[in-house]
Amino acid sequence: NAGVTQTPKFRVLKTGQSMTLLCAQDMNHEYMYWYRQDPGMGLRLIHYSVGEGTTAKGEVPDGYNVSRLKKQNFLLGLESAAPSQTSVYFCASSYSDRAVNYGYTFGSGTRLTVV
Amino acid sequence: AQSVSQHNHHVILSEAASLELGCNYSYGGTVNLFWYVQYPGQHLQLLLKYFSGDPLVKGIKGFEAEFIKSKFSFNLRKPSVQWSDTAEYFCAVCFPSSGGSYIPTFGRGTSLIVHP
Repeated sequence: NAGVTQTPKFRVLKTGQSMTLLCAQDMNHEYMYWYRQDPGMGLRLIHYSVGEGTTAKGEVPDGYNVSRLKKQNFLLGLESAAPSQTSVYFCASSYSDRAVNYGYTFGSGTRLTVV
Repeated sequence: AQSVSQHNHHVILSEAASLELGCNYSYGGTVNLFWYVQYPGQHLQLLLKYFSGDPLVKGIKGFEAEFIKSKFSFNLRKPSVQWSDTAEYFCAVCFPSSGGSYIPTFGRGTSLIVHP
């Protein structure tokens, strides 16, 4: 029972490089999310998706793009990495109907360092 | 704008002490409420959640939380903490988005250290 799987777990990038983080869930959840976690800042929502083929911006979307081509996968792309994007990235998924979000299942995180 | 506030950023307790962590939000409508825990080096795990009904919610590992609508609060409590409760605790509140979906906003977290 895998739940939410994130790859890679660690990555070091040079400024200006691009990369894609992959999130996969096997719970048939409609909703998927990407957060970044920084010390003292809690979790901040980057982008989210309420279903296959749909995405929306969160609190801190600049410098990131996402795609949800398949229901089980949610990709986060960094177009041109900057040191300010050094962070721990968490993917999550949830089951939700219109009025209730039943709570997240989180992946184990990706620690990204941009030098 | 909707927001979530956790008042205690760092809490240090001795084992067997009682714990209460505060969480307040700013929104007058219906919300979904959660507490998550993050043990060192791990991802977030759900402790408890509230959607409706009895405002006193019991979660895993002896934690409970009380929703007080008039105070816009959802405080986390535990009568007697253990060393293994050392972790970071996050309150999350789901507000309705412009599209009607309930999307969580997280507080900044409270770091709890329990001394044996």
